[in-house]
Amino acid sequence: AQSVTQLDSHVSVSEGTPVLLRCNYSSSYSPSLFWYVQHPNKGLQLLLKYTSAATLVKGINGFEAEFKKSETSFHLTKPSAHMSDAAEYFCVVSDIPGTASKLTFGTGTRLQVTL
Amino acid sequence: DAGVTQSPTHLIKTRGQQVTLRCSPKSGHDTVSWYQQALGQGPQFIFQYYEEEERQRGNFPDRFSGHQFPNYSSELNVNALLLGDSALYLCASSPPSGGGETQYFGPGTRLLVL
Repeated sequence: AQSVTQLDSHVSVSEGTPVLLRCNYSSSYSPSLFWYVQHPNKGLQLLLKYTSAATLVKGINGFEAEFKKSETSFHLTKPSAHMSDAAEYFCVVSDIPGTASKLTFGTGTRLQVTL
Repeated sequence: DAGVTQSPTHLIKTRGQQVTLRCSPKSGHDTVSWYQQALGQGPQFIFQYYEEEERQRGNFPDRFSGHQFPNYSSELNVNALLLGDSALYLCASSPPSGGGETQYFGPGTRLLVL
């Protein structure tokens, strides 16, 4: 079965500094991986997805993630944090790549952005 | 173009009651998935509907059932509610096969069981 592990439950950064949210995956084949963001009392919004094309994936709002097969990682980064980035972030793996199948979510990382 | 919509937004029930949650997929989407998100946790997959049939199911008891209508909208039914069923219930839709695998989420229905 596919799974993801988010290594930090909570990350705090100052506005204007880089963001790094860590995610490791476990999969028996080349996975499809996603990052979703959830703002308070809101639904889930797709930030970016990796589907075996380029290993560096660019998403919305300046976020990007790099798929590293040798490290089984898919970390999310942003060069400069903004106050509006404060939210819960989920690393997600698809059960069957290339299809709209079951998604398995990590436990989430809460990003706090301070002045 | 409306996104995924869900109703109601909030719901309060008592133990033992039954509840029905509704979801309308994004225009052009034919697959609907349901997830349960308990407080402080990531969403857990309940089941997925395609062509009016349950295609995949997660590790949830039979008290959780669903339906998909010809217009692709969907319902989630939970019988004999337990306190532990209190959660945010999220619906997600995805386009026809070949149209991509991304699931688009609605705002959710927050269920409180007393």
